Amino acid sequence: QKEVEQDPGPLSVPEGAIVSLNCTYSNSAFQYFMWYRQYSRKGPELLMYTYSSGNKEDGRFTAQVDKSSKYISLFIRDSQPSDSATYLCAMSALVANAGKSTFGDGTTLTVKP
Amino acid sequence: KAGVTQTPRYLIKTRGQQVTLSCSPISGHRSVSWYQQTPGQGLQFLFEYFSETQRNKGNFPGRFSGRQFSNSRSEMNVSTLELGDSALYLCASSPDSQNQPQHFGDGTRLSIL
Repeated sequence: QKEVEQDPGPLSVPEGAIVSLNCTYSNSAFQYFMWYRQYSRKGPELLMYTYSSGNKEDGRFTAQVDKSSKYISLFIRDSQPSDSATYLCAMSALVANAGKSTFGDGTTLTVKP
Repeated sequence: KAGVTQTPRYLIKTRGQQVTLSCSPISGHRSVSWYQQTPGQGLQFLFEYFSETQRNKGNFPGRFSGRQFSNSRSEMNVSTLELGDSALYLCASSPDSQNQPQHFGDGTRLSIL
């Protein structure tokens, strides 16, 4: 079983929709949670970075972490065609695994005009 | 501020050859991590370097090696290339990898014939 499981998608929504992207994990040592966006032929771009449980908002993006359920989510409001990309969740543990993030397999999102 | 720079962007090699990939981190970042990205396995951690020392290593064979220079630039070497080494190789940097997220370059696309 993988340490991080991500809803596989693909996901196709109309412009303006609210998008929910989700990951679950099994390693209780994970304390840092990231969401990356990856466009075709580009590297992952950091969108959100959160520590422990709670919510964090940045513009149209909201990241939620529920450590008790080992579940994280990324919400995109008022989705735009430019949001069409693959979204990767990632997690890391403090100290024990220097420089290592564990990634989900990604969810490909298409926002149709 | 310039981002993470990886060279070359594309490489074609044949089985049995070796290859060296280069990564220049964001200015001031001292931690450099390498990942392999394939459609079947997603993003897999290779290793991490900090202050010219390898601090962490993933589950890859010894054919995969790396090093870091005093200016934090890093190189990754793969010897005796196999068809299965075809992948996107991504480099990520962070200030010191503790409590700080990684920022990725656009990768080197390696194709093995």
